[in-house]
Amino acid sequence: DIQMTQSPSSLSASVGDRVTILCRASQTISTYLNWYQQKPGKAPKLLIYGASTLQSGVPSRFSGSGSGTDFTLTISSLQPEDIATYYCQQSYTTPYSFGQGTKLEIK
Amino acid sequence: EEQLVESGGGLVQPGGSLRLSCAASGFSVRGNYMGWVRQAPGKGLQSVSVIDSGGATDHADSVKGRFTISRHNSKNTLYLDMNSMRFDDTAVYYCARRAWFGGFDIWGQGTMVAVSS
Repeated sequence: DIQMTQSPSSLSASVGDRVTILCRASQTISTYLNWYQQKPGKAPKLLIYGASTLQSGVPSRFSGSGSGTDFTLTISSLQPEDIATYYCQQSYTTPYSFGQGTKLEIK
Repeated sequence: EEQLVESGGGLVQPGGSLRLSCAASGFSVRGNYMGWVRQAPGKGLQSVSVIDSGGATDHADSVKGRFTISRHNSKNTLYLDMNSMRFDDTAVYYCARRAWFGGFDIWGQGTMVAVSS
């Protein structure tokens, strides 16, 4: 099975900051990498698919990059409503494994 | 509007069984790749079971032989049959649609399953 590792596990930042979350796959997955945002008590929401394509309706301050084994999710200017836990997920092969999550908090 | 609504969660004893249902509206489960994802309390997401448009299924090793994913095309509903349940099956279970690009683009609201004696 492919293991997905995110860093950091938690992150504290100020409104307006640029935030970057890293995700590494245990083997190459091309660009079969998706990012989700989950707020407490809610289902995850797809933000980015194919490593860099923004899902419809997602603000343009979110962006993704990477291929192979190393990927990043960037929030260009952190907003209060971005407080959530973020997960990466590979869709290269089943089981579609997720990273352990990155909890983003406001400083 | 494309929507998924889960039901069937609850309290079950170790070794017991439960069936989860996921009713779809606005699209057909038959023509889509569907899955179940769970989240234990305070933990991350785990893909449990998937079924493709052709009916082929796959399950995580931790549930293989105990859980079965299926669908009823005329009811437009996805199911997860869970048997021989264990304490570590306690979680919120979400059903989700896997889009053509691989990501899960539509999610249900989740249903809580608690395994306890």
